Amino acid sequence: DTAVSQTPKYLVTQMGNDKSIKCEQNLGHDTMYWYKQDSKKFLKIMFSYNNKELIINETVPNRFSPKSPDKAHLNLHINSLELGDSAVYFCASSQDVLGLEAFFGQGTRLTVV
Amino acid sequence: AQSVTQLDSQVPVFEEAPVELRCNYSSSVSVYLFWYVQYPNQGLQLLLKYLSGSTLVKGINGFEAEFNKSQTSFHLRKPSVHISDTAEYFCAAAPPGDYKLSFGAGTTVTVRA
Repeated sequence: DTAVSQTPKYLVTQMGNDKSIKCEQNLGHDTMYWYKQDSKKFLKIMFSYNNKELIINETVPNRFSPKSPDKAHLNLHINSLELGDSAVYFCASSQDVLGLEAFFGQGTRLTVV
Repeated sequence: AQSVTQLDSQVPVFEEAPVELRCNYSSSVSVYLFWYVQYPNQGLQLLLKYLSGSTLVKGINGFEAEFNKSQTSFHLRKPSVHISDTAEYFCAAAPPGDYKLSFGAGTTVTVRA
């Protein structure tokens, strides 16, 4: 049983399209995150939700919108995709809001062409 | 936010040799420190963490790290590596009470027979 699962694993799409990445965790954690890993493998937090409430919203374009329908899910919707959005997006979850031990999904490799 | 510097971008090492991965963080009154490992095409997995107490922290897979407050360092070590330790290693830090981890740029460890 995968603890944090993301779909799809790979996503290739054209500029200007709208796409979503889904994330689900079955660990019973209260806090979920989205991270972006760029081509140089630099990892940066984008969003964090605790009990379906947004608690971290880093400087991310408005085209990125997280949605948390319930505690176990945190989806990422991206509008008007740009070439620079190409990256690996990781979902993660942790028991506590401080994220002292985050469990990561396998990542979604997004390629915008 | 914390700044985390991993001093080596790539570390080639022979099997059964020791390895040390260096990590420095920007000074703060106190800080939580972490090492994560990312195996090829997988998400990040927590190796170990320092929250307080003993400065020598033992993690999974035979890894350990030492917190050195005066040098603001948290170097990761393993006395004898295996081929399976080939991976990307990330150091991360967060001030207590902060919600987000700041990651270093990663160190690629390649273990050769």
